Amino acid sequence: KNEVEQSPQNLTAQEGEFITINCSYSVGISALHWLQQHPGGGIVSLFMLSSGKKKHGRLIATINIQEKHSSLHITASHPRDSAVYICAVRSKGGSQGNLIFGKGTKLSVKP
Amino acid sequence: DGGITQSPKYLFRKEGQNVTLSCEQNLNHDAMYWYRQDPGQGLRLIYYSQIVNDFQKGDIAEGYSVSREKKESFPLTVTSAQKNPTAFYLCASSLGTGQRYGYTFGSGTRLTVV
Repeated sequence: KNEVEQSPQNLTAQEGEFITINCSYSVGISALHWLQQHPGGGIVSLFMLSSGKKKHGRLIATINIQEKHSSLHITASHPRDSAVYICAVRSKGGSQGNLIFGKGTKLSVKP
Repeated sequence: DGGITQSPKYLFRKEGQNVTLSCEQNLNHDAMYWYRQDPGQGLRLIYYSQIVNDFQKGDIAEGYSVSREKKESFPLTVTSAQKNPTAFYLCASSLGTGQRYGYTFGSGTRLTVV
């Protein structure tokens, strides 16, 4: 079993829809990252959080440490949001600098 | 603007040849990392460096080598000993390796070995 599981693997939405991507992990963590990978391959860091909730524009990330679960929400989705969204955790017992990555959720937003 | 530059974007090499991937950052970050991405899999750590002239093996270091002679540069050499070198390679950096630091990623190099 992977230490970081994301769901769904693939997601197709209509423009304007509210989107939720889930991330569950099985290890104790010190931080969780949400990343966005564009079709060309480059990765942008969206959020780093260790508790509660963060918001940036139309993106909201939440984390529940007790349940070992995080969600990424996109409000009023737009075709430019189409990308792969990756969850990664910094485990408490891991070697320095090592993130454990999920396999990603491929989001496609149709106009 | 500060950021990470990876070059080239696409690289083709013949089997048995060594190849070096470039990663340069102007963010004044101490720590730098190399990850490998294969289809349907999460990123995996190859090597990381916390400071100049120091680097550590990651989970899949076999067949790879790195150097960190300058703070700005962390080149990765894919040697002929790497069994399956065809993959997407991503470089990243962070201010430090502590848990409070976020990461900045490059745009990646897609290596194809024929």
